[in-house]
Amino acid sequence: GEDVEQSLFLSVREGDSSVINCTYTDSSSTYLYWYKQEPGAGLQLLTYIFSNMDMKQDQRLTVLLNKKDKHLSLRIADTQTGDSAIYFCAERGGFGGSQGNLIFGKGTKLSVKP
Amino acid sequence: ETGVTQTPRHLVMGMTNKKSLKCEQHLGHNAMYWYKQSAKKPLELMFVYNFKEQTENNSVPSRFSPECPNSSHLFLHLHTLQPEDSALYLCASSQNPGQPIYDNQPQHFGDGTRLSIL
Repeated sequence: GEDVEQSLFLSVREGDSSVINCTYTDSSSTYLYWYKQEPGAGLQLLTYIFSNMDMKQDQRLTVLLNKKDKHLSLRIADTQTGDSAIYFCAERGGFGGSQGNLIFGKGTKLSVKP
Repeated sequence: ETGVTQTPRHLVMGMTNKKSLKCEQHLGHNAMYWYKQSAKKPLELMFVYNFKEQTENNSVPSRFSPECPNSSHLFLHLHTLQPEDSALYLCASSQNPGQPIYDNQPQHFGDGTRLSIL
């Protein structure tokens, strides 16, 4: 079945860039998403990328997609303490999965030190 | 404010109790979802409803019973739960994912109900 993998923890200093990585297995994925979850809250959509793109930039966020390697990354420039949260990578299944359903990774906990 | 409201935010219940979780979306979406989020496990999709019809049941035990009276409301009825059912239950909504025109439409999540089973 489809699988999405992420490293569980990342620690950076305030002002540095953070790079959160994700790998997935479904080569027919259509869209890939990044969600953010703060303590006590649900998942907030940060950004998404269509599978025929290789980069998308949105203010401090840059998403890179290497479709050949099935690798997705989220770069946060000038990381702030308010960016501390859990970041989830998710793929929308294509022909290989239930159409429209999202497959989530376990999440990467980002800790930003002042 | 995400447009998806879940109540209650916290629920503590005994294994023999019956309770219900409620989700309401104000986004005009026609698909709604229940997820279970447990510590150290990926987000687990439980149920999917499209236009009030259940389109997916991910092998969820019968002690969880969903209800979708209309496209804006989703319930999860709970009875005879087990301690391992303690988790954060998240509701989400989106446009009908079965139509290609809505392929890029993401799911919007509520803040969840933190459920503790004694």
